[in-house]
Amino acid sequence: AQKITQTQPGMFVQEKEAVTLDCTYDTSDPSYGLFWYKQPSSGEMIFLIYQGSYDQQNATEGRYSLNFQKARKSANLVISASQLGDSAMYFCAMRQGGSEKLVFGKGMKLTVNP
Amino acid sequence: DAGVTQSPTHLIKTRGQQVTLRCSPKSGHDTVSWYQQALGQGPQFIFQYYEEEERQRGNFPDRFSGHQFPNYSSELNVNALLLGDSALYLCASSLRGRSTNEKLFFGSGTQLSVL
Repeated sequence: AQKITQTQPGMFVQEKEAVTLDCTYDTSDPSYGLFWYKQPSSGEMIFLIYQGSYDQQNATEGRYSLNFQKARKSANLVISASQLGDSAMYFCAMRQGGSEKLVFGKGMKLTVNP
Repeated sequence: DAGVTQSPTHLIKTRGQQVTLRCSPKSGHDTVSWYQQALGQGPQFIFQYYEEEERQRGNFPDRFSGHQFPNYSSELNVNALLLGDSALYLCASSLRGRSTNEKLFFGSGTQLSVL
């Protein structure tokens, strides 16, 4: 069975600093994709970054990068130069090959302080 | 370019009633998925519709049903509401590519409260 674990309930970071959000996953399928979504108080889930299980390089999207360690089954999100607007809930999610569904972790709350 | 739109934004029902939630996918998308997000939890997959058929279903009872229309919009119906059905219901759309990198675009959700 596939599972996503996010153990940090909440984190605080100063504006302009970098922050790492942890995510570990469990799957027996060699083909899978990992996603990070941001959910502000408005409720909409906003796609941030994607990493495929066969991708050789870590994914990057602007200020977001994914530290993908396949052997450790971790997919940590790194946000560089935090901004006040980054304050939100962050969810790690996985899709197995051949499946339509995303399996989400419980999420973690990031607060960026001025 | 309109994103995923859901209606209504908020809904209050009583136990035993039935509810219908609506979703219009992002322009150009043909696949709609529904997720339930309980307070303090991550979203859980309910089901996905493509070509007006349910393609995959999560671990939800038959009280949860859906429909997709020829214009790709979708409805989620929940019968015999329980207090535990109170949650944020998220609709997500995508362009079906049958690959792990198929990116979902989400709406802002419908907040359902069952009293």
